[in-house]
Amino acid sequence: RKEVEQDPGPFNVPEGATVAFNCTYSNSASQSFFWYRQDCRKEPKLLMSVYSSGNEDGRFTAQLNRASQYISLLIRDSKLSDSATYLCVVNYNFNKFYFGSGTKLNVKP
Amino acid sequence: DADVTQTPRNRITKTGKRIMLECSQTKGHDRMYWYRQDPGLGLRLIYYSFDVKDINKGEISDGYSVSRQAQAKFSLSLESAIPNQTALYFCATSEPPGLAGGWNEQFFGPGTRLTVL
Repeated sequence: RKEVEQDPGPFNVPEGATVAFNCTYSNSASQSFFWYRQDCRKEPKLLMSVYSSGNEDGRFTAQLNRASQYISLLIRDSKLSDSATYLCVVNYNFNKFYFGSGTKLNVKP
Repeated sequence: DADVTQTPRNRITKTGKRIMLECSQTKGHDRMYWYRQDPGLGLRLIYYSFDVKDINKGEISDGYSVSRQAQAKFSLSLESAIPNQTALYFCATSEPPGLAGGWNEQFFGPGTRLTVL
């Protein structure tokens, strides 16, 4: 079983739509949670950390559900520039990071 | 200038050749990592280092070795390259967690695209 699992998509949405991704993780001892964004053939970059109480950054909202061991990312008012692959990342013992395989988002005009 | 750099950016080599991928960083971070990325598999950890004297295997270290020459430099070697090592390789750095166990974002280099024929 993979440490972190994501729906690969692609999610094809029109501009202005709201879209949500989920990610499940297998280790209940996981301590840190992140969403990274990766553009085609580029390096991953941190989009946002995910806090236990949930957190929002502009159009982006992240939620953590420890009981069900999943995290989510909600994107409101999608822009063309949001098209990318979104990677879910977890770690435990602050030693190793485990990456999901990513969810691809295509925002269309 | 980029904070994390990788050389070469692209490399094509033949089976059995020895290859070294280099990573340098100016962020002053102690922790450095090597990952490979394959389609549909996400990033997988090859080796990581928490300081110059600390080297640890990741989940897929077989066929690879590393050298931490200095705080700022972390090299990955393929002693005898094979075709299934064809992948996109990323180096990353991070700070250790804070006293309260705070978040530790990873910063990635631009990647090295390696093809083994």
